[in-house]
Amino acid sequence: GQNIDQPTEMTATEGAIVQINCTYQTSGFNGLFWYQQHAGEAPTFLSYNVLDGLEEKGRFSSFLSRSKGYSYLLLKELQMKDSASYLCAVIDSNYQLIWGAGTKLIIKP
Amino acid sequence: ETGVTQTPRHLVMGMTNKKSLKCEQHLGHNAMYWYKQSAKKPLELMFVYNFKEQTENNSVPSRFSPECPNSSHLFLHLHTLQPEDSALYLCASSQGQGEDLGYTFGSGTRLTVV
Repeated sequence: GQNIDQPTEMTATEGAIVQINCTYQTSGFNGLFWYQQHAGEAPTFLSYNVLDGLEEKGRFSSFLSRSKGYSYLLLKELQMKDSASYLCAVIDSNYQLIWGAGTKLIIKP
Repeated sequence: ETGVTQTPRHLVMGMTNKKSLKCEQHLGHNAMYWYKQSAKKPLELMFVYNFKEQTENNSVPSRFSPECPNSSHLFLHLHTLQPEDSALYLCASSQGQGEDLGYTFGSGTRLTVV
């Protein structure tokens, strides 16, 4: 079966750095997304990785290793507004999106 | 405004009621989706429409009935639901494959079945 694993919940301190991991086992791979979802709101696109390596976008970076079936989202200079759920999703060989259950990130002052 | 609008935002219905959820997108996307989001579970794909044609139905109970009258509008008709159907129902749209497959989501309808 297809599976995506990410931690259920993480806590970090304002101003710090946090890394949210995602491991996947899917039938094929055509890219990986990270989405951010604030409580009661729509998931919004953060990043897309299809090649190995690090993609940086301001305070957020996303890393992919296809050989290891592994990705992480790195958030720097954490702000209170970064408190949200972070969803990892993989495009499989049929171009279907397989979703993780999401990681709830709690930022403390 | 995300580009995908869902109404209503909240809905409470009894098990014998009939209601409909509405989704509208003006992004020019050709694919629209219904997802169910339950607490601490992955998003569950329910239905997919490509160019108004239903291309996927993930073994969804018949008490959920989708309708796509045009490429901008999507409905989810609900009848005789069960309490376990209480969840956040998300509509999304997309265009193309690869990075273009990135979805634009609506804010969802929080459904409570009593």
